[in-house]
Amino acid sequence: EVQLLESGGGLVQPGGSLRLSCAASGFTFSSYAMSCVRQTPGKGLEWVASISGGGGSTYYADSVKGRFTISRDNSKNTLYLQMNSLRVEDTAVYYCAKEGASESYGGMGVWGQGTTVTVSS
Amino acid sequence: DVVMTQSPLSLPVILGQPASISCRSSQSLVFSDKNTYLSWFHQRPGQSPRRLIYKVSNRDSGVPDRFSGSGSVTDFTLKISRVEAEDVGIYYCMQGTHWPLTFGQGTRLEIK
Repeated sequence: EVQLLESGGGLVQPGGSLRLSCAASGFTFSSYAMSCVRQTPGKGLEWVASISGGGGSTYYADSVKGRFTISRDNSKNTLYLQMNSLRVEDTAVYYCAKEGASESYGGMGVWGQGTTVTVSS
Repeated sequence: DVVMTQSPLSLPVILGQPASISCRSSQSLVFSDKNTYLSWFHQRPGQSPRRLIYKVSNRDSGVPDRFSGSGSVTDFTLKISRVEAEDVGIYYCMQGTHWPLTFGQGTRLEIK
């Protein structure tokens, strides 16, 4: 069974940093691109970043470009989202999602349970 | 950015009756490989989104056949032939053709 388990969320002050992890199981992790999506309280879904299966290609939303870094360790079947210079508006539930193939994006066939990030002083 | 516009935003439905949600994109979603990367997701309260439909009309494994997707280019529709109680929640369309990937604002389905 394909499973994605996020961790690393929490309360952080504006300007602070946080690293989210997404542990994958049940599939050949390195063969699939991965994406991160966030959902602000009571609001809709916003794509944040994506990474290819091999990790060589990354894509970011303008709202996080230069502050967030998506990466992966295929030996550990884990996806990471390093979030720096956090802002109040980054407060959200962050999800990781499995894409359809190594260089295929926008499918998001499986989602994790999400981890909550709160940016507040 | 491609703007995804859903309608209606709120959809009260009687159990057993059909429901339909529209999703319109501000640009064509036909990719250079001739595929159209338009997906539909369902999110129940307190749960993660779950994909129902991918590439306009392909149902995911385990999705009941009362759900169907249709459309082309910029106009897409999700239909539920007979609404059941478990169908409540928010439905989102998403385009995967253009960067950045973008979602519709969501349609809340409730039982009338």
